Amino acid sequence: GAGVSQSPRYKVAKRGQDVALRCDPISGHVSLFWYQQALGQGPEFLTYFQNEAQLDKSGLPSDRFFAERPEGSVSTLKIQRTQQEDSAVYLCASSLALAGGEQYFGPGTRLTVT
Amino acid sequence: TQLLEQSPQFLSIQEGENLTVYCNSSSVFSSLQWYRQEPGEGPVLLVTVVTGGEVKKLKRLTFQFGDARKDSSLHITAAQPGDTGLYLCAGAYYNQGGKLIFGQGTELSVKP
Repeated sequence: GAGVSQSPRYKVAKRGQDVALRCDPISGHVSLFWYQQALGQGPEFLTYFQNEAQLDKSGLPSDRFFAERPEGSVSTLKIQRTQQEDSAVYLCASSLALAGGEQYFGPGTRLTVT
Repeated sequence: TQLLEQSPQFLSIQEGENLTVYCNSSSVFSSLQWYRQEPGEGPVLLVTVVTGGEVKKLKRLTFQFGDARKDSSLHITAAQPGDTGLYLCAGAYYNQGGKLIFGQGTELSVKP
């Protein structure tokens, strides 16, 4: 596709459920980033992949959060045992460069935990 | 921990007015990007600045990067209702693998 796509666009989960959020980056983009955006705030970094290698996961808020990119393309962000504080928009971005390049964002997945 | 302060947080102006948004950090950026985000969408890249003192123009938008690469500004001339949205600055720092640190955002509303 022409841009970064994410699915689902909206997800409602009951507290305690597991969720999986998918990101399809721009074809050929080496780097992939996940960010979390609370309402009215700027995005906050969660984790970063270079091809299939997860090089930085310092932003993941707890061990309930897990991300993978097994073939260096599509990525999945998984949240186990969701809590209300996990409610946010989860944004995926991809970049052609290995580091420091311009990032192109998907539309995000809005997660609501009830 | 790098922090990026963006101001003002909210701005409501009339069509035709000028405005400036500021972005400041205590650390030196390797590069800085400005994004615009509309409700329900992801941020859309407006510009990237890399060189200290750099000025870039995009129609009525002027972006400046401070000489010391610790601050940046976005100036909009003769704002229009179509400029309404959330403006975000985001800095990349050396040895951070390209991850972006975002400011809190500036919510701009331009009234006709």
